[in-house]
Amino acid sequence: GEDVEQSLFLSVREGDSSVINCTYTDSSSTYLYWYKQEPGAGLQLLTYIFSNMDMKQDQRLTVLLNKKDKHLSLRIADTQTGDSAIYFCGKSGGYNKLIFGAGTRLAVHP
Amino acid sequence: EAGVAQSPRYKIIEKRQSVAFWCNPISGHATLYWYQQILGQGPKLLIQFQNNGVVDDSQLPKDRFSAERLKGVDSTLKIQPAKLEDSAVYLCASSLDLGGRDGYTFGSGTRLTVV
Repeated sequence: GEDVEQSLFLSVREGDSSVINCTYTDSSSTYLYWYKQEPGAGLQLLTYIFSNMDMKQDQRLTVLLNKKDKHLSLRIADTQTGDSAIYFCGKSGGYNKLIFGAGTRLAVHP
Repeated sequence: EAGVAQSPRYKIIEKRQSVAFWCNPISGHATLYWYQQILGQGPKLLIQFQNNGVVDDSQLPKDRFSAERLKGVDSTLKIQPAKLEDSAVYLCASSLDLGGRDGYTFGSGTRLTVV
């Protein structure tokens, strides 16, 4: 079956880079996504990458996709306190059903 | 562009009662999704509509949950009767089509507490 796994927690110092990792089991994905969820809010789309790409950069965000290892990462440069949130990795599968991991809680400390 | 609207924002009910949630997707979005997010977990897809037809409802507990999207626009999700383990945030999302290229837009969710 389809599965998406993420590490549950990451703590970084303000100004450092954060790297959030995700692995998935099904290689039939079309798109892979990173969503951000702040307390009491819905999910906000941060960025996505098409499955035939290796990398995508969008301002402070860099997404790397290793199709061979089925590994996706999100790098946030110059992490700020406002980046503290839960980050969800998602993949679209059959009929573009969007499957999520359990989320990585990013804590940014001074 | 208006976002995905959901109501109510919060709901507290007793177990065995019924409850309904409403979702209005982004105008023109053909695909609509309902997700259940239990505290500390990622969202789990309950049901996916394409226009007014069901694409996937394999994770929907059909003995107590039902959903409809009669005119291919608004959707309602109902739970009857509710159980304690149904306490969660129910998220509605929509996308332009099945392609997913423009991503999936989520509403703010309905937080359900069953006591």
